[in-house]
Formats: sequence, C-alpha cells, structure tokens
Amino acid sequence: KQEVTQIPAALSVPEGENLVLNCSFTDSAIYNLQWFRQDPGKGLTSLLLIQSSQREQTSGRLNASLDKSSGRSTLYIAASQPGDSATYLCAVSPSSGGSYIPTFGRGTSLIVHP
Amino acid sequence: DGGITQSPKYLFRKEGQNVTLSCEQNLNHDAMYWYRQDPGQGLRLIYYSQIVNDFQKGDIAEGYSVSREKKESFPLTVTSAQKNPTAFYLCASSSPGLAGGQNEQFFGPGTRLTVL
Repeated sequence: KQEVTQIPAALSVPEGENLVLNCSFTDSAIYNLQWFRQDPGKGLTSLLLIQSSQREQTSGRLNASLDKSSGRSTLYIAASQPGDSATYLCAVSPSSGGSYIPTFGRGTSLIVHP
Repeated sequence: DGGITQSPKYLFRKEGQNVTLSCEQNLNHDAMYWYRQDPGQGLRLIYYSQIVNDFQKGDIAEGYSVSREKKESFPLTVTSAQKNPTAFYLCASSSPGLAGGQNEQFFGPGTRLTVL
C-alpha cells in the first residue's frame, strides 16, 4: 500500500527566504504526483502536476521535482511571501491497481512572517 | 468558468437527521471523489465514482451513501448511522489518463458540516 510522508509537518520562515518542502512515497509505480495548496477553511488548489516521465515542473516562483527511483519529490518556493502561508499537500496517483486513487500526504503547514 | 461547486458552504445537522451535500462539476470529468478532512488526520476517502451509475467505497464509507445518476453530479448523504459527522467535506474530480491512471485532480471549495 502506498504511503506518502511530508516533512516537515510545520515550517515558519521570514519573508524572502527560499524554502523546500519534501514529499516521499514508498511505491515508485506512480502515474503522476500533484502538489496542492490549501488555505484555512478552503478547498485544495492544484499548484503543479508532474507526470511520472518528467523530472520537474515550474510555475512562477514554484518548482517541483520528482525522483521516482528514490521515491521523493520536492517543492521549492523562491523568495517566499506572507501570501504563501498555507498548507501544502502532495498526492501520488498510482499507475496500476485498477482504482487509480491518489494517496495524500498530511501536508506541511507553512507560515511566512513579514 | 469550468470548475467544481459544492453546496451548502456550511451545514448544521441535528442528531438523527440525514443530510445531503451537493457536488457539481462542469469539467466533463468521468471520475468524482468525496473526502473527509479532520484536523490532524489529513484527507480520507469516503466514496469514489469512475463512471456514471457506478461507485465504490473508500476507506471510511460507513454511515455515508452516494449516487451517480449524472456525469456532472455526485451527491453525498450523511446518514444518522455516521456517529461523528462533524468535519470538512471535499469533493474532487479527474479525468482518466491515456495509459491508465488519473489525470490532474481538481477540488471544490468544501462543505463544513456541524452536528448540533
């Protein structure tokens, strides 16, 4: 059974720092990996989707990498801003198994203070 | 605009009542999902449907029921059998990938259910 772990569980940084959020998974038979952002009391917003054949994806100040062989993905946030404060979740979709249900990590709660 | 809508945003239930949460999508996605989110527990899958008129139980289906009569709609009923229904409920959808798997998953804004 796929297990997804996100470290750290919480992070507090001053504005302007570059930071890295980690996501690890136990089964490398994945179809894609998706990073989400969730603000308090809101739904999940898709940030980046990396297909299993890709190594990284970029959107603005965000860069996500994928290393299937080691079961790891990182989300890099450049020049962090207070508006980046949220919970970040990663989800791994399987490439086999029939149901193709994504497995979610528990998230990293990020606070960027001015 | 394409997306997923959930209603109501807030819902209050009395003990012994059944309540239904609405989820509608206009993304033309085949697959739809219901998740429950509790503080410190992450997302837990309640039910999912990969095609109209078919759905499967997730990890915590007891006390819940769903229907999938239309591609666009996947309502969730929280029955009186669900002993601790107070939670944040999220609906999602996705389309199938070309070589198996599911493509990008999109989420609605959520419904917060409180038992009085």
